[in-house]
Amino acid sequence: TQLLEQSPQFLSIQEGENLTVYCNSSSVFSSLQWYRQEPGEGPVLLVTVVTGGEVKKLKRLTFQFGDARKDSSLHITAAQPGDTGLYLCAGARGAGSYQLTFGKGTKLSVIP
Amino acid sequence: EAQVTQNPRYLITVTGKKLTVTCSQNMNHEYMSWYRQDPGLGLRQIYYSMNVEVTDKGDVPEGYKVSRKEKRNFPLILESPSPNQTSLYFCASSFRASFGETQYFGPGTRLLVL
Repeated sequence: TQLLEQSPQFLSIQEGENLTVYCNSSSVFSSLQWYRQEPGEGPVLLVTVVTGGEVKKLKRLTFQFGDARKDSSLHITAAQPGDTGLYLCAGARGAGSYQLTFGKGTKLSVIP
Repeated sequence: EAQVTQNPRYLITVTGKKLTVTCSQNMNHEYMSWYRQDPGLGLRQIYYSMNVEVTDKGDVPEGYKVSRKEKRNFPLILESPSPNQTSLYFCASSFRASFGETQYFGPGTRLLVL
């Protein structure tokens, strides 16, 4: 079974601080996705990265896929209370993304 | 509105009483999937379906059944629920099972088996 390790598991920071969440594996993934999940709701896709070394930006969020396609990071600049939630990374196994392996998630709390 | 719906949203049942959780999508998606989410274990795939009448096991299929008779519906069946199936269940769909495709998740069904 291909595993995705996310760190940290919990993160509590003050509004305005920067943070980075990591997603690591010993296996190669064809693509990697980041989701955000709020309490009582299903995960919502933030971004998909497919090329080793790829960097994508979504407003204050920066996503990076490792050169070897085994790891990824999510960096949030100047965190806001609205960023609070559970962040999940998910790796696609094989050429199709129909089978996703999810990390256990990073629970982020941004304190006003 | 494009969406994935699940019913019921909350369910309390007893061991051994068969139940079905329905999932429906209105986006004409080919691919549908069921996940369960447990504290400390994250999201794990139960079953998935590539298209009508095509289903396959995910990582944790034991104790579950699915069917895909219509493109829009993908019910999850627990023939004889047990307490270890107490969990939060999510249905998801995507246009097709292809590289980097976006999965849309339903709102979740919280199941308690006594």
